[in-house]
Amino acid sequence: ETGVTQTPRHLVMGMTNKKSLKCEQHLGHNAMYWYKQSAKKPLELMFVYNFKEQTENNSVPSRFSPECPNSSHLFLHLHTLQPEDSALYLCASSQVDRGETQYFGPGTRLLVL
Amino acid sequence: GQNIDQPTEMTATEGAIVQINCTYQTSGFNGLFWYQQHAGEAPTFLSYNVLDGLEEKGRFSSFLSRSKGYSYLLLKELQMKDSASYLCAVRPLASGTYKYIFGTGTRLKVLA
Repeated sequence: ETGVTQTPRHLVMGMTNKKSLKCEQHLGHNAMYWYKQSAKKPLELMFVYNFKEQTENNSVPSRFSPECPNSSHLFLHLHTLQPEDSALYLCASSQVDRGETQYFGPGTRLLVL
Repeated sequence: GQNIDQPTEMTATEGAIVQINCTYQTSGFNGLFWYQQHAGEAPTFLSYNVLDGLEEKGRFSSFLSRSKGYSYLLLKELQMKDSASYLCAVRPLASGTYKYIFGTGTRLKVLA
């Protein structure tokens, strides 16, 4: 069992839909991350939030919009996605001043039709 | 550029020892991590190396040579539950405190 939860676990959406992914960490960490994991590709860092401030945007298309209302919650808002955006979206958290080992949630498996 | 290489797949027998290699070329180096990921599940942290040498943790050990840009994960007394993908990740010093560069992962199959 990890201290990072994600909902939903599975999501199917059309290209015109708007949906949101939610992540919550129960570890008292101060940094949160969104990653994209596609088949046969390395994990790709999308966004980093440190103390609720976005510190990294890894050239992610604007159809992905992150939100971090507090240090425990992270959202990824999705709109007008493309089929190539189908992937596993992983959330992670870490404590910046304590080794920064990242702990991952179970992910949301997204399919864009 | 930043690059991490590890074998795509490996197969080993229950009870055996397997070594999964990882080589990296990054703009800086501030630690190397190994994660285990079972199909459909979250990656889970296994080990962290920042200095040269061997870190042992039960059946798993991880080795680092910074001068060679090389690490390996050693799994002893293999069990069926060790069948999973093993991800190597490097935190480069130069590209931001929080950024990890991941390899594509090594899928390990443990056979009875």
